[in-house]
This record gives sequence, C-alpha cells and structure tokens, in this order.
Amino acid sequence: AQSVTQLDSHVSVSEGTPVLLRCNYSSSYSPSLFWYVQHPNKGLQLLLKYTSAATLVKGINGFEAEFKKSETSFHLTKPSAHMSDAAEYFCVVRGAAGTALIFGKGTTLSVSS
Amino acid sequence: DAEITQSPRHKITETGRQVTLACHQTWNHNNMFWYRQDLGHGLRLIHYSYGVQDTNKGEVSDGYSVSRSNTEDLPLTLESAASSQTSVYFCASSESQGLSSSPLHFGNGTRLTVT
Repeated sequence: AQSVTQLDSHVSVSEGTPVLLRCNYSSSYSPSLFWYVQHPNKGLQLLLKYTSAATLVKGINGFEAEFKKSETSFHLTKPSAHMSDAAEYFCVVRGAAGTALIFGKGTTLSVSS
Repeated sequence: DAEITQSPRHKITETGRQVTLACHQTWNHNNMFWYRQDLGHGLRLIHYSYGVQDTNKGEVSDGYSVSRSNTEDLPLTLESAASSQTSVYFCASSESQGLSSSPLHFGNGTRLTVT
C-alpha cells in the first residue's frame, strides 16, 4: 500500500531565506511522486514530479525536490523564498499504474517580510 | 485552453437534501476523480472513474455516488446531505491510467455547507 507523510504541518520562513518542506513516502512499487501547491481559494497546481528518471527534479517557480530511495524521502526545497510562495503544499504518491493518487495532509508555508 | 470546471463554486443546503456537484473537463482525459478537502486531513479520495460507464469507490465514498455517461463529465451526488459532508470538494482529471506519472489537473473547487 502507498502512503505519504508530511513531517511539518506549518513552516515559517523569512523572505529571501531557503525553504525546506519535508515528505516521506511508503510504496510497494517504484513510486511516482509529486508536489502540488494550493493558493487560497484555488485548486491545486502541479509544482513538479518524479518518475524514476533523474533523482533531482526541477519544478516551476524555482522549486526542486530530491528523491532519496534509501531514506524514502522526497523533500521540496527552494533557495530563496518569495512572498508569493506562501501557500499550502501537498506531497503526493502514486504506486502502480492505474492507482489513484494519495495525498499528504499538507504543509502551510508562511513567508514574512 | 483545456480546463476543468466545477459548479457551483459555493453551495448551502439543508440536512437530508440531495445535492449534485458538477464537474466538466475539456482535456479529453479518461480518468476523473473527486476529492474532499478538510482541515487536518488533506485531500481524501471519494470516487473515481477510468472511463465511460466505469466508477470506483475511494477512501471516503459512503454517502456519495457518481456516474460517468460521457468523457467530459463526472457529477458527484450526495444522496442525503449530512453536516459531516460540509467540506471543499475538488474534481480532477488525468491521462490514461497506463501512465502512472501523469499528473492531475484540478478544478477550483466547490465549497459545500450543510446546515
């Protein structure tokens, strides 16, 4: 069975400082992993995805994530936070082809000036 | 541009009423999903469909039903609305199930309040 755990429910950073949002996963298969972002009163938007190619995945808006199989982790990072990055972030796992996505409970990112 | 549209954006209904939330996508995707989002729970899968006439139960399907009569639409029906079904509902679609890496495209959500 697949599952995903986001280790922090809330992360606060200052503008211009690095962002780290942590995610651990469990999967019986070689997983596909995603990060989605949700801004207030909006639907979810794909930030990036891992599909067993390069372990370091680059996404939109300067975000990237590294797949570490030995640690079963897929942490999201950004070198320098911007005020517009304040949002809810979801780590998502899919196992075998044809199975639905499993969402983590989300991490709220706050960015202060 | 292709999109996925949910209606209504906001709905207030009374306990016991039947409610239908609409979802329409122009991506021509075979896969469609309904999720509910609640504080502290993230998104939980209600029902999903891999094509016309195909429907499947998700993690929290009790009290909900869906039907898939064409590719574009997957309406979600609450048979007898309960206060526990107050939530934000998201519809999503993706490409064929053979592509495990295909991402979801989301609508903007329907905020449902059951009084």
